[in-house]
Amino acid sequence: GAGVSQSPSNKVTEKGKDVELRCDPISGHTALYWYRQSLGQGLEFLIYFQGNSAPDKSGLPSDRFSAERTGGSVSTLTIQRTQQEDSAVYLCASSLGKGTGTTEAFFGQGTRLTVV
Amino acid sequence: DQQVKQNSPSLSVQEGRISILNCDYTNSMFDYFLWYKKYPAEGPTFLISISSIKDKNEDGRFTVFLNKSAKHLSLHIVPSQPGDSAVYFCAALWGGGNKLTFGTGTQLKVEL
Repeated sequence: GAGVSQSPSNKVTEKGKDVELRCDPISGHTALYWYRQSLGQGLEFLIYFQGNSAPDKSGLPSDRFSAERTGGSVSTLTIQRTQQEDSAVYLCASSLGKGTGTTEAFFGQGTRLTVV
Repeated sequence: DQQVKQNSPSLSVQEGRISILNCDYTNSMFDYFLWYKKYPAEGPTFLISISSIKDKNEDGRFTVFLNKSAKHLSLHIVPSQPGDSAVYFCAALWGGGNKLTFGTGTQLKVEL
């Protein structure tokens, strides 16, 4: 596709359930980021994938959060045993990546997660 | 530890006037700075960037200024238009493609 695609666009889940959020980056982009934006807050870094390197997971807020990127393309962010404080817009971005001289990251439209 | 700070949560400007959005950073290792614009219910979109070896970059109505000694950058929009009303995020990059670190954003409102 032409841009970064995220699904679902909206997700309402019950507290304690697991959720999976999907990101399809722009084809050929080796770098992929997950961020989240809680109500009234800025963009909080979660995790960063660059090619085949080990991901930078330093932003994941707890061990209930995990992410994987299969085949260097699609990424899935999984939140286990969701809590109400997990409610936020989860944003995925991709870029050409390290060493390409290009720094611009393109964002998807986000997944709005509501935990009730 | 907020490495990129936008101290003004909101700014209101009249149409046709200049909008100045400010950003401060603490990490001197940052070597690239970017501005993103975000409308409600949409992902952020890239606006303009500047390398740490420069002090100014201009693109149409948008100019970014970098003051490395003060660890400060600013985005100037002139003339401001109602369509510029959005949240503006400052972001910084270190290490040639490492993770983007974002500020908390400034809500710009351009009034008629």
